[in-house]
Amino acid sequence: RKEVEQDPGPFNVPEGATVAFNCTYSNSASQSFFWYRQDCRKEPKLLMSVYSSGNEDGRFTAQLNRASQYISLLIRDSKLSDSATYLCVVRMVRQGGKLIFGQGTELSVKP
Amino acid sequence: DGGITQSPKYLFRKEGQNVTLSCEQNLNHDAMYWYRQDPGQGLRLIYYSQIVNDFQKGDIAEGYSVSREKKESFPLTVTSAQKNPTAFYLCASSITVGPGTSSYEQYFGPGTRLTVT
Repeated sequence: RKEVEQDPGPFNVPEGATVAFNCTYSNSASQSFFWYRQDCRKEPKLLMSVYSSGNEDGRFTAQLNRASQYISLLIRDSKLSDSATYLCVVRMVRQGGKLIFGQGTELSVKP
Repeated sequence: DGGITQSPKYLFRKEGQNVTLSCEQNLNHDAMYWYRQDPGQGLRLIYYSQIVNDFQKGDIAEGYSVSREKKESFPLTVTSAQKNPTAFYLCASSITVGPGTSSYEQYFGPGTRLTVT
């Protein structure tokens, strides 16, 4: 079983749609949680951290359920510029705080 | 501008040759990391360093070597022992690692695409 698993993609949605990404992690000792965005052939960039109480940043809402070991990302009113691959990331205390990445879910927003 | 630089962006090598990928940061970060990404897969940790003159193996260290002689620099050597070296290599850094630092972001360089034929 992979340590971090995401919805298989790609997701193809029209502009203005709401899209949700799901992610599960297997190690209950996981410390911190993030969503990164990766554009084609570019490096990943932090989109947002995920807090236990849930957090929102504009059109983006992240949720964490530690009991279910489940993380989600909701994008409202999607824009063409949201097209990218979204990576669910878990940070471990061990191994120098290494990040464990999901395989990513590709999103394509169409006009 | 502060950031992480990796060079070159694209690198081509013949099988059997060692190759060294550069990673430099001017963010004054203590911790540095090397990841590898293969098509359709997440990033996997190769090596990491929390302090100068010290580094640790990650999940897929076989066939790779690193050094950390300066805080700013963390070069990665892909040796001929690495069986599948063709990949996208990403270097990252973060402030430090320790109690209370759980939310510190890792910043990534632009990556080096290595092709070995």
